[in-house]
Amino acid sequence: AQTVTQSQPEMSVQEAETVTLSCTYDTSESDYYLFWYKQPPSRQMILVIRQEAYKQQNATENRFSVNFQKAAKSFSLKISDSQLGDAAMYFCAYRSANNNDMRFGAGTRLTVKP
Amino acid sequence: DVKVTQSSRYLVKRTGEKVFLECVQDMDHENMFWYRQDPGLGLRLIYFSYDVKMKEKGDIPEGYSVSREKKERFSLILESASTNQTSMYLCASSRTGGRLYEQYFGPGTRLTVT
Repeated sequence: AQTVTQSQPEMSVQEAETVTLSCTYDTSESDYYLFWYKQPPSRQMILVIRQEAYKQQNATENRFSVNFQKAAKSFSLKISDSQLGDAAMYFCAYRSANNNDMRFGAGTRLTVKP
Repeated sequence: DVKVTQSSRYLVKRTGEKVFLECVQDMDHENMFWYRQDPGLGLRLIYFSYDVKMKEKGDIPEGYSVSREKKERFSLILESASTNQTSMYLCASSRTGGRLYEQYFGPGTRLTVT
């Protein structure tokens, strides 16, 4: 079974600075999808960014970008110009191309300091 | 906008009670999911459904059952609630297929069993 590991339970960043959240996964498959979700305090979980495994190019969404290293099975999230509204739990998730269910990491709680 | 709604944000039940958690989505998604979220453990899949009346066990189905009589509605049932089922329960839905389809989440139900 696929597993997703987020080794940083908590991270903090100064407002306007850059922070990188780590995620590694274990799979024997070659076709899959990776996601980062954000869960603000007491609010709904929303998608931040996604990546298809067969694409070499790293996905980017405004201030959010990923560093996808397929051989290393690593999928880190970089948040540039951090804002107070970025404070949340961040979950890394894996989905096989053959299945509809996802595997989630344990999450990283990001604090943004003013 | 995709909307996934859950019947209650907060619920307090007594040990041994039968508990129903309801989830409704309005985007005609084929797949629906129930997760349990606990600190340090991330999201763990309880059950999912890929069609009406169809269900598949996830990683932690023990003590739970589900029902999907209509496409838009997916219910999680705790037959006899126990204190170790105190948790945050998240419902999600998604389209089916091998594309990069994300899961859309409801706001969650925080269940306390006393």
